Amino acid sequence: GENVEQHPSTLSVQEGDSAVIKCTYSDSASNYFPWYKQELGKGPQLIIDIRSNVGEKKDQRIAVTLNKTAKHFSLHITETQPEDSAVYFCAAISTGNQFYFGTGTSLTVIP
Amino acid sequence: GAVVSQHPSWVICKSGTSVKIECRSLDFQATTMFWYRQFPKQSLMLMATSNEGSKATYEQGVEKDKFLINHASLTLSTLTVTSAHPEDSSFYICSAGARAYNEQFFGPGTRLTVL
Repeated sequence: GENVEQHPSTLSVQEGDSAVIKCTYSDSASNYFPWYKQELGKGPQLIIDIRSNVGEKKDQRIAVTLNKTAKHFSLHITETQPEDSAVYFCAAISTGNQFYFGTGTSLTVIP
Repeated sequence: GAVVSQHPSWVICKSGTSVKIECRSLDFQATTMFWYRQFPKQSLMLMATSNEGSKATYEQGVEKDKFLINHASLTLSTLTVTSAHPEDSSFYICSAGARAYNEQFFGPGTRLTVL
């Protein structure tokens, strides 16, 4: 089955700086890679996603890049704000539409 | 994005009782619903996948007789924790997806505390 690894597990950045979270996956058949933001006590919220036929996608301050050859994808948050502080999860979806989640990154944006 | 609700958001029960958690897709028909369990500071652990009108598929190690899942309609799935014990205390999250797309939309979660 699929195996998704996520790094780093914790990340602290100064407000206004950029944050980058990276994930790798093992199954070359995986074709959908969403990123979720989870605030304390709440369910994960989809913030951006990318499919295997695209190399990069951007939505305002958030962008995701995908390297299918190397089997890794990254979340980029620019101009970070305190409200970006949360736990971020990557996921890879393989055949059968089963989600495989990364272990999560706790992001802290320091004002 | 699509909206998924869960009810209740928080429940406390006595050991030995059963608790039912509802998951609803509010503005789309969910052919598949997923139930996850999340421990503090950990990732989501898939418990089972349910397709409307058929039996749920449980992940290895998840007791199907303890965690009863019913997906009676395209907008509602329920998880019943039977004979709950303190070790069942956790954050339970459902998600819903449509067959034509890969996206899953998550509910807000249910915090279960078993005394």
